[in-house]
Amino acid sequence: SQQGEEDPQALSIQEGENATMNCSYKTSINNLQWYRQNSGRGLVHLILIRSNEREKHSGRLRVTLDTSKKSSSLLITASRAADTASYFCATDATGGGNKLTFGTGTQLKVEL
Amino acid sequence: EAGVAQSPRYKIIEKRQSVAFWCNPISGHATLYWYQQILGQGPKLLIQFQNNGVVDDSQLPKDRFSAERLKGVDSTLKIQPAKLEDSAVYLCASSPGPSNQPQHFGDGTRLSIL
Repeated sequence: SQQGEEDPQALSIQEGENATMNCSYKTSINNLQWYRQNSGRGLVHLILIRSNEREKHSGRLRVTLDTSKKSSSLLITASRAADTASYFCATDATGGGNKLTFGTGTQLKVEL
Repeated sequence: EAGVAQSPRYKIIEKRQSVAFWCNPISGHATLYWYQQILGQGPKLLIQFQNNGVVDDSQLPKDRFSAERLKGVDSTLKIQPAKLEDSAVYLCASSPGPSNQPQHFGDGTRLSIL
């Protein structure tokens, strides 16, 4: 079963704009992770945020986590055409032992 | 470091045939995962190994799917007999340990059932 739901399902922006994707989940978590998947490839880990953290940065990526609302957001600033991919959030439920449950994903298209 | 290796990259079989996928995780990674990703969906965990022991196989259709990780390194996932609904990408991932660790994915095997 899919634990997380990403919103929007698809997003199309111009190069240089910011992209924001949201994720909602259902159970208590140890951590929440964001992954990127280019067409025909495996998933690439972007950021892991633990349940006691509220915000994390990595380069042009900013992730927030609100455990009271069971939601997270991923912001990509100054997007590039190379950011075109599907983005998934995944939750490691409390007591889950690093067993990830993935959301449905957001397809991001960055146009020149 | 070398990434997670999977083979084959593509496989086409007819329903009721059998198929096997192979995965070589990142060296030293104790935890190995097999996921099924149906087109347009996120990956779904099938089985998780810690070294050569099964941690979780609750979503593995055991009447047709089997997996093993001999010697705690390479792993194989088998489907016998295949059904049309098994058409998907089968992804292998590994992580250093069982908690608060990012997972490293291979590029997967795309399986088509005719």
